[in-house]
Amino acid sequence: EVQLVETGGGLIQPGGSLRLSCAASGFTVSTNYMAWVRQAPGKGLECVSLFYAGGSTYYADSVKGRFTISRDNSENMLHLQMNSLRAEDTAMYYCARLKGGSYRRYFDYWGQGTLVAVSS
Amino acid sequence: SYVLTQPPSVSVAPGKTARITCGENNIGSESVHWYQQRPGQAPVLVIFNDSDRPSGIPERFSGSNSGNTATLIISRVEAGDEADYYCQVWDSGSDHRGVFGTGTKVTVL
Repeated sequence: EVQLVETGGGLIQPGGSLRLSCAASGFTVSTNYMAWVRQAPGKGLECVSLFYAGGSTYYADSVKGRFTISRDNSENMLHLQMNSLRAEDTAMYYCARLKGGSYRRYFDYWGQGTLVAVSS
Repeated sequence: SYVLTQPPSVSVAPGKTARITCGENNIGSESVHWYQQRPGQAPVLVIFNDSDRPSGIPERFSGSNSGNTATLIISRVEAGDEADYYCQVWDSGSDHRGVFGTGTKVTVL
């Protein structure tokens, strides 16, 4: 059974750092496209970072230069290092697996999310 | 760059049919995927590749995609279908990324 479990969220002051982790089971992270998707309170879904199976990465403009996605193949985990946090980064952060072909990828499994609140 | 436009809300009586649209120029040439998000829960994939259902999703959920509009159709609506619904496409331009629609709140009357 595929499962994704996120940890690492919390209350942090502006300018601070957090590291989110996503523990995967039932499949191998290193052979899949993986994503972090966030949802600000009362808002829609935003794809903030991707880790492609081949090792390249994607970042939304809103987090580029501040967030770093990585994976630990030995632990079968995905991470998101978030630096220089801003109030607008406040959101539920979901880890998700991607499936589908090159032009039709979709998020087939999601974790339950971890809440990040940036406030002084 | 994609801008997927959805109606903010749709209301439907139990047992009736709900139709949720997702608009973008020539979206019919893309594969559209749909997610259900119940209050306080993570999104769940309900339709992929325009009209395919993941295992465990009821046949009451179906999809279509043509021209400038993709549509999620929920037949014989139940109280448990009350949720937010998001469409999604894959932007395979300069940045390969997932793009989500604006979301639709479905209210069961």
